[in-house]
Amino acid sequence: DAKTTQPPSMDCAEGRAANLPCNHSTISGNEYVYWYRQIHSQGPQYIIHGLKNNETNEMASLIITEDRKSSTLILPHATLRDTAVYYCIVRVAGDYKLSFGAGTTVTVRA
Amino acid sequence: EAGVAQSPRYKIIEKRQSVAFWCNPISGHATLYWYQQILGQGPKLLIQFQNNGVVDDSQLPKDRFSAERLKGVDSTLKIQPAKLEDSAVYLCASSSRTGGGEQYFGPGTRLTVT
Repeated sequence: DAKTTQPPSMDCAEGRAANLPCNHSTISGNEYVYWYRQIHSQGPQYIIHGLKNNETNEMASLIITEDRKSSTLILPHATLRDTAVYYCIVRVAGDYKLSFGAGTTVTVRA
Repeated sequence: EAGVAQSPRYKIIEKRQSVAFWCNPISGHATLYWYQQILGQGPKLLIQFQNNGVVDDSQLPKDRFSAERLKGVDSTLKIQPAKLEDSAVYLCASSSRTGGGEQYFGPGTRLTVT
């Protein structure tokens, strides 16, 4: 699986959009980009995934660059409950294995 | 829909003792995973089951860890004997064969080995 690079931490203000970057420059054509988050003392929670088109759901939006070498997870209106570690994971289609890195610790401040 | 259930939530044991963790996945989910998460790190896959068969156990320390999913539903992960470095959160997850293969995680069991 392609490796991902994320900043170790970032802060954002409550009510503002949070833009979380992820670099996956070695991604292959059959690999998807997945995002999970882990709130303190809980198990990871699925957020969103995509292949090459931008995706949006009730939690977030995923923007994937045209060359697919990087992506951005957007939390449109961050709340204090969005404080968590966010993991960007690249996964081969049909292979359900997830390889977690260290993720980005996002702190939403009032 | 009930989520993934795990028990116990916390366990403290001495090194060289044995311990077992239990997981009940979401109803109908054929695939079950056990992860180990050491403090400050992301979860690491230990073993993956498809129904009651093992798909991947390449990262399971088989000299001390064992897991089973006898009837293709709930699962047990055992450590015997435990070492200090086994202190971690043990997470269970499950996924359906349909959809995007998203994994749903339980709350985890926090193990402390003293």
